[in-house]
Amino acid sequence: AQKVTQAQTEISVVEKEDVTLDCVYETRDTTYYLFWYKQPPSGELVFLIRRNSFDEQNEISGRYSWNFQKSTSSFNFTITASQVVDSAVYFCALSGYQAGTALIFGKGTTLSVSS
Amino acid sequence: DSGVTQTPKHLITATGQRVTLRCSPRSGDLSVYWYQQSLDQGLQFLIHYYNGEERAKGNILERFSAQQFPDLHSELNLSSLELGDSALYFCASSDASSALSSQETQYFGPGTRLLVL
Repeated sequence: AQKVTQAQTEISVVEKEDVTLDCVYETRDTTYYLFWYKQPPSGELVFLIRRNSFDEQNEISGRYSWNFQKSTSSFNFTITASQVVDSAVYFCALSGYQAGTALIFGKGTTLSVSS
Repeated sequence: DSGVTQTPKHLITATGQRVTLRCSPRSGDLSVYWYQQSLDQGLQFLIHYYNGEERAKGNILERFSAQQFPDLHSELNLSSLELGDSALYFCASSDASSALSSQETQYFGPGTRLLVL
């Protein structure tokens, strides 16, 4: 069975701190996709990144970076120099490699950044 | 703005009633997915349509049904509503170039918040 675990329910940091959100997944598939989505207080789900299972290169986009380690089945997300606008619920998700497979979401991590 | 639209934004109704949620996918996207977000269950997949055909079902109750129309918009029908159906319902559309394509990202609409009283 496929499963995504986000062990951190809530994280609170002060602006400019770095923060890492953990994601551990389980799948029997050899190829799959991993995702991160952001849900700000307004409620919409915003796509952040898609990573396929055979590309273990870390990715950086501005203050965001992602560390994918297949050996530990982890896909962690780091926000550098956090800002108040980063306050949101962050979801890690897993899907099969073929289009048409549903996203399996973790329970989410609520990040609160205070000024 | 993802380009996916959902109406209405909020819906308040009573137990036993029936409601219809509407979703318009991004221009050019043929796939539509429905998800339910509740406090106890989290984000759960309900159903997937591709170009008008049902492709997969998840944890969708028999009281719920959906369809995708020729213009690709989709509707999720919820009937005999119960208190526990109160949730945020998301529609997502996908950029897969075909039903078998391996390249796909799901883009989510703003959601419809349903409150059953």
